Amino acid sequence: EAGVVQSPRYKIIEKKQPVAFWCNPISGHNTLYWYRQNLGQGPELLIRYENEEAVDDSQLPKDRFSAERLKGVDSTLKIQPAELGDSAVYLCASSLFRGVETQYFGPGTRLLVL
Amino acid sequence: SQQGEEDPQALSIQEGENATMNCSYKTSINNLQWYRQNSGRGLVHLILIRSNEREKHSGRLRVTLDTSKKSSSLLITASRAADTASYFCATDAGGGADGLTFGKGTHLIIQP
Repeated sequence: EAGVVQSPRYKIIEKKQPVAFWCNPISGHNTLYWYRQNLGQGPELLIRYENEEAVDDSQLPKDRFSAERLKGVDSTLKIQPAELGDSAVYLCASSLFRGVETQYFGPGTRLLVL
Repeated sequence: SQQGEEDPQALSIQEGENATMNCSYKTSINNLQWYRQNSGRGLVHLILIRSNEREKHSGRLRVTLDTSKKSSSLLITASRAADTASYFCATDAGGGADGLTFGKGTHLIIQP
């Protein structure tokens, strides 16, 4: 069974540029999460989807971040415009459905904003 | 915000020794999980312990949970070089309904 797929793995951009990250969860997993992990820290939740519905986006900086999961399968997280402080690893995770505790993580996208 | 706080922040031991790392958290939980992260990779789920459990084993892993002290420990026995990684505790207050809240992690180095 394929795991959670994320692309790109690495991205280097200049500040004020837009950037997008893509995630394809494990097949059949209804719940999808985006986390941000700063250097030396644990991941922090940005947004959680149940199918195509964003059910918890309280930690998403909405002035510059947006996310979508149009068909309830793969998802895109966008930053526009990027700031220096956005440099981090962006992790996507999925779980079978709400109430199943174990989350499966992708390898992450490492973003560097110059 | 970080819920858990792992201790120590870094740990270096010889191969074959046991490694113990601790986690403290702040609010009531439904369960507590431990994840491992190898350098430059995503997190891998190791073990889950529910709030009504006190101890759980999985292979060379032993996890304890003390809800009165809001703390947990992860013991890795007979450590191997491949155990070198960062270990994070993560709390789940909503029974899988919400995202996980992670600590800052313990960086474990196993020296051959």
